[in-house]
Amino acid sequence: DTEVTQTPKHLVMGMTNKKSLKCEQHMGHRAMYWYKQKAKKPPELMFVYSYEKLSINESVPSRFSPECPNSSLLNLHLHALQPEDSALYLCASSPILGVNEQFFGPGTRLTVL
Amino acid sequence: EDQVTQSPEALRLQEGESSSLNCSYTVSGLRGLFWYRQDPGKGPEFLFTLYSAGEEKEKERLKATLTKKESFLHITAPKPEDSATYLCAVQGGSNDYKLSFGAGTTVTVRA
Repeated sequence: DTEVTQTPKHLVMGMTNKKSLKCEQHMGHRAMYWYKQKAKKPPELMFVYSYEKLSINESVPSRFSPECPNSSLLNLHLHALQPEDSALYLCASSPILGVNEQFFGPGTRLTVL
Repeated sequence: EDQVTQSPEALRLQEGESSSLNCSYTVSGLRGLFWYRQDPGKGPEFLFTLYSAGEEKEKERLKATLTKKESFLHITAPKPEDSATYLCAVQGGSNDYKLSFGAGTTVTVRA
């Protein structure tokens, strides 16, 4: 299985809602990532987990809260988002941190009203 | 800081018309250069990793090459299904996690 899955595919939420994005991989990878991608721009790194521990937070606002319950799962909890947070949210994984390719999921298209 | 510049921004090709995409990079000690393909509204799909100058990799109609300053993605006899945005990314220096992406080249292949 060489796939990263993400749910939901689409999410519409109000600024006062709380929602979560989910990501799953069964490749035995020990590094997982969250990216944000705006239209016609490249992905921007948000968070990095290594062996289920948060390694990197790229100065992301606290309204985004990541969680790694186990080595296969990665969540992104959303609360009090702004309309400018509307974007494609991508999850990726790699065998370990280091020089190796990252495999991306299909993304969750988030719209904040 | 690592920098990646891709050219052209957009490329329109006739089916069967071969062409090349350029990725110029500035990095302190290249650890890896990566090519991805991205279809609209979907996540990037991994294509190739290149580690050192002179290295080449091929997959179907795509061939990636690497020099000390740039990488090329050659598309031979493209088909409409090759239409996508192609992203180049580098990882360099002591950084063991961050990919620095270029802005991408959007390729459109007309039948």
